[in-house]
Amino acid sequence: GAVVSQHPSWVICKSGTSVKIECRSLDFQATTMFWYRQFPKQSLMLMATSNEGSKATYEQGVEKDKFLINHASLTLSTLTVTSAHPEDSSFYICSARGIQSYTFGSGTRLTVV
Amino acid sequence: SQQGEEDPQALSIQEGENATMNCSYKTSINNLQWYRQNSGRGLVHLILIRSNEREKHSGRLRVTLDTSKKSSSLLITASRAADTASYFCATAPTDSWGKLQFGAGTQVVVTP
Repeated sequence: GAVVSQHPSWVICKSGTSVKIECRSLDFQATTMFWYRQFPKQSLMLMATSNEGSKATYEQGVEKDKFLINHASLTLSTLTVTSAHPEDSSFYICSARGIQSYTFGSGTRLTVV
Repeated sequence: SQQGEEDPQALSIQEGENATMNCSYKTSINNLQWYRQNSGRGLVHLILIRSNEREKHSGRLRVTLDTSKKSSSLLITASRAADTASYFCATAPTDSWGKLQFGAGTQVVVTP
């Protein structure tokens, strides 16, 4: 079945630094990927839609300059959290849209100290 | 924004019992999907039901969809301890191509 690989699975960074999260579709091409954020015991909140070869579309309230998304190829999308602060600590999950359904990455636990 | 509401928020049952959770949504949809998430992990797709379907089965899972009431239910029969997880419904609204809207989720605990 379709597999989406997300790395790293967890990361701890200092406040003010940037963190890059990668999401790869391993056995299928994903022209569209989605990035979600999830706080403890809460649901997934869509942050942005990543389109291959074009700019990402951000949901209302999501700072595009803080959460940089690049979708340079049909199998790779990256989310960079710039100048991270403790309030950015969260669980970030990517998803790739296939023909029949959506495949999710295993998530990245970001802790900003 | 979250479209779906799920109830109950939490469900605690014993192995062998059935678990039922419900999901309501607000807009017209193309399909509704159910996902499972183990603590601190990604989501696993369980089942998709299209807007023109009323019921669907997959193993021990049974999903119903009532588009007139804008609601869906997920039934897990003969639950096992390994079914302990959070379950989310997600809708694909007709007017927002590709974007899934997730419900709040139901946390299910199955005790041996």
